[in-house]
Amino acid sequence: DSGVTQTPKHLITATGQRVTLRCSPRSGDLSVYWYQQSLDQGLQFLIHYYNGEERAKGNILERFSAQQFPDLHSELNLSSLELGDSALYFCASSVEGDGNQPQHFGDGTRLSIL
Amino acid sequence: GDSVTQMEGPVTLSEEAFLTINCTYTATGYPSLFWYVQYPGEGLQLLLKATKADDKGSNKGFEATYRKETTSFHLEKGSVQVSDSAVYFCALASGTALIFGKGTTLSVSS
Repeated sequence: DSGVTQTPKHLITATGQRVTLRCSPRSGDLSVYWYQQSLDQGLQFLIHYYNGEERAKGNILERFSAQQFPDLHSELNLSSLELGDSALYFCASSVEGDGNQPQHFGDGTRLSIL
Repeated sequence: GDSVTQMEGPVTLSEEAFLTINCTYTATGYPSLFWYVQYPGEGLQLLLKATKADDKGSNKGFEATYRKETTSFHLEKGSVQVSDSAVYFCALASGTALIFGKGTTLSVSS
């Protein structure tokens, strides 16, 4: 158990819809990262928040947004969903925002777009 | 940009065989390097890390050495077990994010 909690585990929805994925980091971790895992693109970094502030952006679509709340949990919002958004979305956390520290991953949310 | 290339699988071995999974990287400077393992239905777990050249990371019988001359971080284990069957990812730290290779599936049979 990594200590990172993601909900829901599975999400099935239709094209054009909007969903919210939630992540609670390990106790004491200030950084939250979001990654997307798909068969064709592999694991791709989306966005990083540190103590409530956005620190870095990766290959995140404009239809996607994220935030980190004062209690340090984070939400990833995906809107105008397309079939290609079907993927496994991982959240990870670390103590600081230093890339040299290991990131601890949750079990992911599997998003299926019908 | 920064990137990681690892050998494509699947790798199929018998129990107690020697394992090598190759990983090479392209990066500016000398980033920290990681190996993560993903078991079916689970998230990624950190297996080992190395933060500078010639560092050797090790955990659970797995080892990898940070080689800056060959920009490599190959994963090795002397004697694999059925329980080692999983997908293995090589990664490097690029800024605050991790850049991952495509993953190598290892299947160990008894």
